[in-house]
Amino acid sequence: DIQMTQSPSSLSASVGDRVTITCRASQGISNYLAWYQQKPGKVPKVLIYAASTLRSGVPSRFSGSGSGTDFTLTISSLQPEDVATYYCQKYNSAPPLTFGGGTKVEIK
Amino acid sequence: EVQLLESGGGLVQPGGSLRLSCAVSGFTFSDYAMSWVRQAPGKGLEWVSTISGGGVTTYYADSVKGRFIISRDNSKNTLYLQMNSLRAADTAVYYCAQGLLPFFDWNPFDYWGQGTLVTVSS
Repeated sequence: DIQMTQSPSSLSASVGDRVTITCRASQGISNYLAWYQQKPGKVPKVLIYAASTLRSGVPSRFSGSGSGTDFTLTISSLQPEDVATYYCQKYNSAPPLTFGGGTKVEIK
Repeated sequence: EVQLLESGGGLVQPGGSLRLSCAVSGFTFSDYAMSWVRQAPGKGLEWVSTISGGGVTTYYADSVKGRFIISRDNSKNTLYLQMNSLRAADTAVYYCAQGLLPFFDWNPFDYWGQGTLVTVSS
């Protein structure tokens, strides 16, 4: 099975900072990669799919990049409402639809 | 408005069974693959199972294969998860989720239900 490894597992940054989260697949998955945001006590929400396509309604400060095995989620200017845990997920044509371990983002 | 509403969670003893339901509205149910995702207390997300829009094809995580059965009734706009031989490690909030794109089995998850808690304990 393909493993999805996120780093860091947690980070603390100031409002307005640029934040980068990485996700590495143990094998190539083309661009079949999604990013989710889960705020405390809330249901996960898809932010980005196909590695770089922003889901409608998601603020433009979120962006995704990458292909193959290495992917990045960037928050260009961290806002207080971005406090959440972020997960990557691969969804290429073979189960399992593995999630990364998550990255907890906090405000410094 | 898309809505997904899970039910059926609760406390069950190890080895027991439980059937979860997810009633959906606001979209053409049969066009979309549907999935179950779980989250153990304080832990990350774990994909459990997916079923194609027509209900013909099913997929399972190794951790539940042979114990859980996913199904759907497109006439009732309802998704199910029959969970048998439950273990303590199955304790989690179980979410149903709709695939983002119609007619594709492999999809990110777009709309999610609020989740139903399953606790396996004696």
